[in-house]
Amino acid sequence: RKEVEQDPGPFNVPEGATVAFNCTYSNSASQSFFWYRQDCRKEPKLLMSVYSSGNEDGRFTAQLNRASQYISLLIRDSKLSDSATYLCVVNKEGRRALTFGSGTRLQVQP
Amino acid sequence: NAGVMQNPRHLVRRRGQEARLRCSPMKGHSHVYWYRQLPEEGLKFMVYLQKENIIDESGMPKERFSAEFPKEGPSILRIQQVVRGDSAAYFCASSPPSQGNEKLFFGSGTQLSVL
Repeated sequence: RKEVEQDPGPFNVPEGATVAFNCTYSNSASQSFFWYRQDCRKEPKLLMSVYSSGNEDGRFTAQLNRASQYISLLIRDSKLSDSATYLCVVNKEGRRALTFGSGTRLQVQP
Repeated sequence: NAGVMQNPRHLVRRRGQEARLRCSPMKGHSHVYWYRQLPEEGLKFMVYLQKENIIDESGMPKERFSAEFPKEGPSILRIQQVVRGDSAAYFCASSPPSQGNEKLFFGSGTQLSVL
């Protein structure tokens, strides 16, 4: 089983739609969780950290369910510029290095 | 404050040659990480270094690959006797020294092509 699993997509949605991505992780000792965004083979960029209490940044909401080892990202009012690959990222207890999922591709269409 | 700097952006090597990839972390960052991304795949962790120390090399192939982060100068990822399967994007990232802060900031990557 992969350490971090994501649906590769692609998710094709119209502008203005709400879209949700899910991710599961295998190591219950993981402590830190993030969503990164990667555009067209460029470098990944941090989108947001994920906390158990849930956190929101503008149109983006991230949620963590430790019991189910499940992370989600919700994007409201999708923009064309949201088109990218979204990477679910976790670390293991005692390890600084982050483990990346293979990513979920989002294509927002006009 | 310059970000993570990687060079070269593109590197072409013939099979059997050596590839050297360089990475300068963000100012104030003392932790460097190397990741590899094969075509159509996700990022795979290779190695984590601090100045003059390899902390975690669990993702490094056993042969031909080595990494260093000397006291002075950039971190170097070295691939000896390259093969076609080494063709990939190699990303370097850095993070601040504070414990518990694992946010990574990535460089633009080096695209290695092996002919």
